[in-house]
Amino acid sequence: KAGVTQTPRYLIKTRGQQVTLSCSPISGHRSVSWYQQTPGQGLQFLFEYFSETQRNKGNFPGRFSGRQFSNSRSEMNVSTLELGDSALYLCASTTGANTGELFFGEGSRLTVL
Amino acid sequence: AQSVTQLGSHVSVSEGALVLLRCNYSSSVPPYLFWYVQYPNQGLQLLLKYTTGATLVKGINGFEAEFKKSETSFHLTKPSAHMSDAAEYFCAVSEEYGNKLVFGAGTILRVKS
Repeated sequence: KAGVTQTPRYLIKTRGQQVTLSCSPISGHRSVSWYQQTPGQGLQFLFEYFSETQRNKGNFPGRFSGRQFSNSRSEMNVSTLELGDSALYLCASTTGANTGELFFGEGSRLTVL
Repeated sequence: AQSVTQLGSHVSVSEGALVLLRCNYSSSVPPYLFWYVQYPNQGLQLLLKYTTGATLVKGINGFEAEFKKSETSFHLTKPSAHMSDAAEYFCAVSEEYGNKLVFGAGTILRVKS
């Protein structure tokens, strides 16, 4: 069974640009969550989507947004990039039940110059 | 708001020695607690979780953790460390049994031969 797939794995952007990251969950999983991981702030919850609806949201500015498609694949977008947005963005999927048992992808490492 | 404190950003043990990684949480409601492990350049993997019931929880790879409400702790242990245990370990708590996890800062475990 394929795991959570995130693309791209690495990318470099400059300040002011925008970026879109993609996540394909494990087959049959309907919930997708996104986390930001940085050395300074650690792992922080961005948002969770279930059945194409945002079910939960963290404390990030509106520049961070996401969506989920009918096949459960999810994308997150960051607009007007800042240097502080450099991070590893992790996607996690689960069946949809609120169990906290998340299956993580390997992440997309974003560098903002 | 719930929070998690992991004591010790780095822990070093000899191969075959006891592993003890400390985690304390703050919560105003009964918490759901997790330990995740992250190997270099990989996503997180669930080691074990506590929801309700037995306070001693067994996980994968020989790890276990004990929920102590009176001490608000959920320390992770393994009787005998193996070289393959070298990784970063994260303690996490969920809000209201959901998929929005609050993570600790992480503890990097080094295993010496």
